[in-house]
Amino acid sequence: DVKVTQSSRYLVKRTGEKVFLECVQDMDHENMFWYRQDPGLGLRLIYFSYDVKMKEKGDIPEGYSVSREKKERFSLILESASTNQTSMYLCASSLRTGKAFFGQGTRLTVV
Amino acid sequence: DAKTTQPPSMDCAEGRAANLPCNHSTISGNEYVYWYRQIHSQGPQYIIHGLKNNETNEMASLIITEDRKSSTLILPHATLRDTAVYYCIVRGHNDYKLSFGAGTTVTVRA
Repeated sequence: DVKVTQSSRYLVKRTGEKVFLECVQDMDHENMFWYRQDPGLGLRLIYFSYDVKMKEKGDIPEGYSVSREKKERFSLILESASTNQTSMYLCASSLRTGKAFFGQGTRLTVV
Repeated sequence: DAKTTQPPSMDCAEGRAANLPCNHSTISGNEYVYWYRQIHSQGPQYIIHGLKNNETNEMASLIITEDRKSSTLILPHATLRDTAVYYCIVRGHNDYKLSFGAGTTVTVRA
């Protein structure tokens, strides 16, 4: 079975901290995605990557950056965390096209 | 620019079939219809996808109209564990991006 693993299930950070959310997939998928999910707003795409070192902005990239140095790993970076970035963050991977597999999510709280 | 339209919510009786509609009137020839669901506090899970023909797997059936402008996901015997948000997504072979709409919140009642 495909596995998408997010490094933390729960995370608490302080305002202004630099935060790294890590995601690893084990199926050699080209595409990887980062979403955030908030009550009433659904799943919103932050960034995605279709190859190593390649990245594309999603629908809400402001305040975030990403890094994909290796095919299996896609990192989401909050350069200076703010309270409005408190959210559930979900990572996913897929082949070029085709079904996507999701991690269990990281619930980030910024205080 | 939403590519799909789904009802915001629906109820279903346990043991009965649940029919979830999705409109995708602007779908183009090379775009597939995908369905995912998200059970509370979990990541979304792939259910099924199709291009033109009806599809069935162990989880559900997908019926796509002949003009491909709409589709229906059928859960043949809904259980309480099928309570979730169901997302219908249109995605082409050259679409790397994967965006989700609001989905349909399905509540299965005993």
